[in-house]
Amino acid sequence: EAGVTQSPTHLIKTRGQQATLRCSPISGHTSVYWYQQALGLGLQFLLWYDEGEERNRGNFPPRFSGRQFPNYSSELNVNALELEDSALYLCASRFRGSEIDTQYFGPGTRLTVL
Amino acid sequence: GEDVEQSLFLSVREGDSSVINCTYTDSSSTYLYWYKQEPGAGLQLLTYIFSNMDMKQDQRLTVLLNKKDKHLSLRIADTQTGDSAIYFCAESKRQTGANNLFFGTGTRLTVIP
Repeated sequence: EAGVTQSPTHLIKTRGQQATLRCSPISGHTSVYWYQQALGLGLQFLLWYDEGEERNRGNFPPRFSGRQFPNYSSELNVNALELEDSALYLCASRFRGSEIDTQYFGPGTRLTVL
Repeated sequence: GEDVEQSLFLSVREGDSSVINCTYTDSSSTYLYWYKQEPGAGLQLLTYIFSNMDMKQDQRLTVLLNKKDKHLSLRIADTQTGDSAIYFCAESKRQTGANNLFFGTGTRLTVIP
């Protein structure tokens, strides 16, 4: 069974540009989560999508947004990029009916903002 | 509260046991997890424990949960160089409806050959 996949692996942008990151969940998983792992700041929850709807967001500005498609894949968009947006962005998926809430992570997209 | 705390670094010799500790503040946590992150990679789920359990063993891994003290530990027996990685503990709180995970800062385990 394929795991969570993310693309691209690396992304280099300049300040003010927009970045789009993509995630495909494990087959059968309907929930997708996005996390930001910035150097020295650990993992911070960004967004949670389930059944095509945004269910919860972390403490991030509105320029971080995304969506979930009918096939449950997801996009994370970051507008007006700032230097401090440089981080590893991790996507995780979960089977909504799962009793144990386990999230399975993809390999991440490393975003560098110059 | 949502703070999950871990010590940042741990070094052990190959063959010794490693114990990675974690404290959390929210007693409503339902599940607690340990994830492993190797350099340049995503997070790999190692094990989890339900909050009404005290201990869980899975091959070389032993998870201990002290709910009274809100303390979670991961013991790795016979630590190998391949165990060198960052280990994150995380909690989920289904009651909030959020279902997202709250992570500790991560403990970087270095195994000395």
